[in-house]
Amino acid sequence: EPEVTQTPSHQVTQMGQEVILRCVPISNHLYFYWYRQILGQKVEFLVSFYNNEISEKSEIFDDQFSVERPDGSNFTLKIRSTKLEDSAMYFCASSGYEEATQYFGPGTRLTVL
Amino acid sequence: DAKTTQPTSMDCAEGRAANLPCNHSTISGNEYVYWYRQIHSQGPQYIIHGLKNNETNEMASLIITEDRKSSTLILPHATLRDTAVYYCIVSLGGNQGGKLIFGQGTELSVKP
Repeated sequence: EPEVTQTPSHQVTQMGQEVILRCVPISNHLYFYWYRQILGQKVEFLVSFYNNEISEKSEIFDDQFSVERPDGSNFTLKIRSTKLEDSAMYFCASSGYEEATQYFGPGTRLTVL
Repeated sequence: DAKTTQPTSMDCAEGRAANLPCNHSTISGNEYVYWYRQIHSQGPQYIIHGLKNNETNEMASLIITEDRKSSTLILPHATLRDTAVYYCIVSLGGNQGGKLIFGQGTELSVKP
């Protein structure tokens, strides 16, 4: 069964450093998403991406965040200068056109020290 | 904010049906009802969705009231592995750019 994969599973970084979280969506999907979940809190929408551009972004997704689909398979989330409050689980999701359900990856745990 | 209301927690005996309610009184005509669950901090797992008809798949059944203002997710024979937080979400659907707005969900505990 096709699935969304994410790497790394755990990333530890120093405050102020740049991190790139990687996702491989399901192969025939066209819509891509990033969500995050701070420990003990709700899953929060960050950004959606379609046709090589951002469709929608939340207030959380400020200038420190960017997304990219550098090739036909990967979808990345970059945080330019990490803050302590960026520590969270980051989930990638994708959905198709005919099949509009979003499927989530296992997540990347980001720890900012 | 989430457009749904769910009980904070529920218990269910192993082997019995788990019925999880959800209110979504402000749902729009073109919004779907989606159910996901999350075990610990794993990625949310899709369960089932529907627009207005009742739906069934290998995991669960979804009953949507005729006025679409509420729904019930049914896990017919709950097992210990069904212990999780269950989220009811209304959304336009992925191919319309429908982001998912998660609430607090219902924490279901399946007990032996």
